[in-house]
Amino acid sequence: AQTVTQSQPEMSVQEAETVTLSCTYDTSESDYYLFWYKQPPSRQMILVIRQEAYKQQNATENRFSVNFQKAAKSFSLKISDSQLGDAAMYFCAYCGGSQGNLIFGKGTKLSVKP
Amino acid sequence: SAVISQKPSRDICQRGTSLTIQCQVDSQVTMMFWYRQQPGQSLTLIATANQGSEATYESGFVIDKFPISRPNLTFSTLTVSNMSPEDSSIYLCSVATGGAFFGQGTRLTVV
Repeated sequence: AQTVTQSQPEMSVQEAETVTLSCTYDTSESDYYLFWYKQPPSRQMILVIRQEAYKQQNATENRFSVNFQKAAKSFSLKISDSQLGDAAMYFCAYCGGSQGNLIFGKGTKLSVKP
Repeated sequence: SAVISQKPSRDICQRGTSLTIQCQVDSQVTMMFWYRQQPGQSLTLIATANQGSEATYESGFVIDKFPISRPNLTFSTLTVSNMSPEDSSIYLCSVATGGAFFGQGTRLTVV
């Protein structure tokens, strides 16, 4: 069975600085997708960034980028120029290629200090 | 992408009663997913709802407790039956269309 591990329950970053959130996963599949979601107190799950396993190039969305290491089964999220609005829970998630449901990590609570 | 409208956004219910949560998608999708997020926890898949067939439930979730309907390709409901305080959670529906998109979530409190 696939698993997703986020080893950092909480992280803190100074406004305008850069922070990296860690995620590792375990799977025997070769075709899959990885996601990072942001969940603010409003509880809405917001898709931050997505990575297809067959793509070697790391995904980037504005200030958000990932470091995808397929062999190491690692998928970290880097947030550059952190803003107060980035404060939220961040969940790493895995989706098998033949499925549609997501398997989530336990989440990392990110605080941004002004 | 997909836009998912989920309602109600929140409710406070008496134990022993049932609540039906609705999700409407702005496009046709084959599979819809229902998740539960207990307080301070991550999301756990309850079931997968396919149009025209019975929902597939994950271990620990049963149809009598969480009946699901999927009458067409844009709509689904999840009912939380015979509620107890342990059912107090956020319930979210999701679709997988080039990414996985979620409804706004339903915060359920059972008293």
